[in-house]
Amino acid sequence: DAGVIQSPRHEVTEMGQEVTLRCKPISGHNSLFWYRQTMMRGLELLIYFNNNVPIDDSGMPEDRFSAKMPNASFSTLKIQPSEPRDSAVYFCASSLAFGTETQYFGPGTRLLVL
Amino acid sequence: GNSVTQMEGPVTLSEEAFLTINCTYTATGYPSLFWYVQYPGEGLQLLLKATKADDKGSNKGFEATYRKETTSFHLEKGSVQVSDSAVYFCALSISNDYKLSFGAGTTVTVRA
Repeated sequence: DAGVIQSPRHEVTEMGQEVTLRCKPISGHNSLFWYRQTMMRGLELLIYFNNNVPIDDSGMPEDRFSAKMPNASFSTLKIQPSEPRDSAVYFCASSLAFGTETQYFGPGTRLLVL
Repeated sequence: GNSVTQMEGPVTLSEEAFLTINCTYTATGYPSLFWYVQYPGEGLQLLLKATKADDKGSNKGFEATYRKETTSFHLEKGSVQVSDSAVYFCALSISNDYKLSFGAGTTVTVRA
């Protein structure tokens, strides 16, 4: 079975540009998570969706960040405008259902904002 | 609140050495406990988990026992290989809560 799929795997952009990260969760999984990983802050939960509905976006750092889940098989995380401090690895994860603890992570998108 | 504290790294050891990574937790209620592993350039993978006190999780030669009395879930492996070089994360989840609370991660490097 395919795992969580993320694209692109690497993104280099200039400050001020819009960045869109994409995620396809495991088929049948109802919960989706976006994380950010940096050396300084470690692993941070940005936003959580259940059945395509955003449940908790308290981890989204600023209004420059937005996330959508238009259907059960696709989600996007958008940064507009991007800044150098947004440089990080962004992970998407999915789990079978609300309250199911095991999360399955994608390979991540390594973002560099110059 | 819920939190996990794991030993700071980095940890460097030789092949076939014994590995222990300490993890302790604070939680309201009865958590499930996890170890995730992140190999270089990859996402996190579930290594093992335990859902109740005295349960032992095991996988790929790694073991961890859920100790309620000491609020601990230490990860151990008797004989490490170079391929075990990775970052290891301890985590917990409370029943009916979607959030995983992660530790800071411990970087392990195994030398041949």
